[in-house]
Amino acid sequence: DQQVKQNSPSLSVQEGRISILNCDYTNSMFDYFLWYKKYPAEGPTFLISISSIKDKNEDGRFTVFLNKSAKHLSLHIVPSQPGDSAVYFCAASALTGAQKLVFGQGTRLTINP
Amino acid sequence: DSGVTQTPKHLITATGQRVTLRCSPRSGDLSVYWYQQSLDQGLQFLIHYYNGEERAKGNILERFSAQQFPDLHSELNLSSLELGDSALYFCASSVGGGYTFGSGTRLTVV
Repeated sequence: DQQVKQNSPSLSVQEGRISILNCDYTNSMFDYFLWYKKYPAEGPTFLISISSIKDKNEDGRFTVFLNKSAKHLSLHIVPSQPGDSAVYFCAASALTGAQKLVFGQGTRLTINP
Repeated sequence: DSGVTQTPKHLITATGQRVTLRCSPRSGDLSVYWYQQSLDQGLQFLIHYYNGEERAKGNILERFSAQQFPDLHSELNLSSLELGDSALYFCASSVGGGYTFGSGTRLTVV
């Protein structure tokens, strides 16, 4: 039972353009959502999060949007830079992070010069 | 350096063997989570410890076990290893909603 799904295994974007990574979830008890970025041979690093009481959270070039009715969230990166090339994981938890994080399968983002 | 230390970084062992993976959480973090990442798979939750007590179990095989010690470091024991156990094993520690991950242990079973 895949409660958090990232349906695009990979995404290729031109440098300077917008990257949009998508994530869907099925568990309506999830109330806290996070994005992690992972480089090869390293552990995932936290990027940005959003609570279910908000529909948008912005941090520099990164913005996460949450559509609770559609059980969908997305990560926008603009402008995309070569250093953004990595695997991005969407994660969700219930009770504002007090419970374990459930991760999606990841999307490999490649930024082309 | 995330502050979460995992050893060893790489481990190659034969089928049927037993290995122990070690994790030291960030200073002050009481929770330790173990995750498995197989090829092209997401991070699968294995087990969560909080201040020495098991709090939640995920898709952890009976051949796998874990514990958290009084100094808060944790060990994940994998026994009767099979080829399919080859994966990256991450631990993460947390205080609050976000996790901080270690750099992982890459286990290869041959």
